[in-house]
This record gives sequence, structure tokens and C-alpha cells, in this order.
Amino acid sequence: GQQLNQSPQSMFIQEGEDVSMNCTSSSIFNTWLWYKQDPGEGPVLLIALYKAGELTSNGRLTAQFGITRKDSFLNISASIPSDVGIYFCAGHLNSGYALNFGKGTSLLVTP
Amino acid sequence: EAGVAQSPRYKIIEKRQSVAFWCNPISGHATLYWYQQILGQGPKLLIQFQNNGVVDDSQLPKDRFSAERLKGVDSTLKIQPAKLEDSAVYLCASSLGWGLDEQFFGPGTRLTVL
Repeated sequence: GQQLNQSPQSMFIQEGEDVSMNCTSSSIFNTWLWYKQDPGEGPVLLIALYKAGELTSNGRLTAQFGITRKDSFLNISASIPSDVGIYFCAGHLNSGYALNFGKGTSLLVTP
Repeated sequence: EAGVAQSPRYKIIEKRQSVAFWCNPISGHATLYWYQQILGQGPKLLIQFQNNGVVDDSQLPKDRFSAERLKGVDSTLKIQPAKLEDSAVYLCASSLGWGLDEQFFGPGTRLTVL
């Protein structure tokens, strides 16, 4: 599969702070997706992006599909304890339909 | 609507033993996926079925892994014989169609090979 470079690897923040994480690749993607995985569960889709430059929000979450189609970011505003989990970027390469995942960003939020 | 069901949730085996995992996708979903998630990494696609046909199995270690979806509904993934490096969570997902359709994941089966 295609390598997606996701950063940071982990974040430890206080409740109420904003969070930003990003994902880059050397290849062009035609979709970027952001998932959250809780312990013992499968990933759940948060936001899906389908067009270069697209900026989409889902509540306190905002994600953007980079203009070059090689990167994406996810912002979480005013974090709360239930935001704790592992966030994965994922995408479909221009050439196929297999979904490629990054290694994840582990988010810890302290009250 | 019921989600993707997987069983067992946990399995511990010794190396060289065999193991099988079962997945029941969301009703009506034509496409089924098996992913391997090693600790600290993102899921990696092993095999994708469209109804009961294989669409992509390029990353499936075919010398020891096999999967089937005989009636186009539920599916089994088998490892025979297991190796230590097969320790991982095996996730099943399904989507209504294929291509860019949203994938819904099950809770996974955590396999430990001793």
C-alpha cells in the first residue's frame, strides 16, 4: 500500500485546547478521509473529502483536502475528554480503489 | 440498523496452529473488506470482495491466508499456519457499493500468536 505520513504521532492536551494533525503523501490521492478509533472498536468515519481544496466541517471538526492532492489536515476545536482516541487519515489513490491508512495520531485530553 | 458483526472478539493460539475469523456485513452491502491492523499502525487491506468475487487480494499472503464469501453475504478469513507476526487485530468492513463508498468497520478480532 501507499505510505501516508501522519503527524504528530501523539498529542497530550488540556480540555478546551484546539488540535491540529496532518497527513502527507508523495502520491496524488483522489479522496482524503479522517477516521477515529476508540479502544476495542473499529474506525469510524469523521469526515470525507473528495475535491482538491475542499474544506469540510463536522461539528467541532474541520478538515481540508490539500490543493496539491498530496496532503490533508484535521482540526479539532475546543477539545473535550471524549475526543480521546486514535485519529487516522486515509485515502484512495488516483489509480485505484484500495483505502490506504496512515499510522495514526493518538490524542489524550486531560480535564 | 445493525453494524458489521465479527467473531470471535479475541483469539489466542500457538504458532503453526490454524485460526478462522467470521464476519457478517451490514445487510445489503455488496462489498466486504478484510483489514489487518498491527499494533501502532493503521489498517492494511488484505482482501476486498464485490458480492462473492475477489476485487483485490494483492496484499494477502496467499501462502497462509485465505478468505471466502461463498454466498455474497458473510465471510471467513483463515490463517494456516499462523506465525508470530500475524498477531494483530483483523477488521472486517462493508460498503453498499464499491469504489469510493463509505466503509463501515466491525469491532475486529484481536489475534495473539504465541
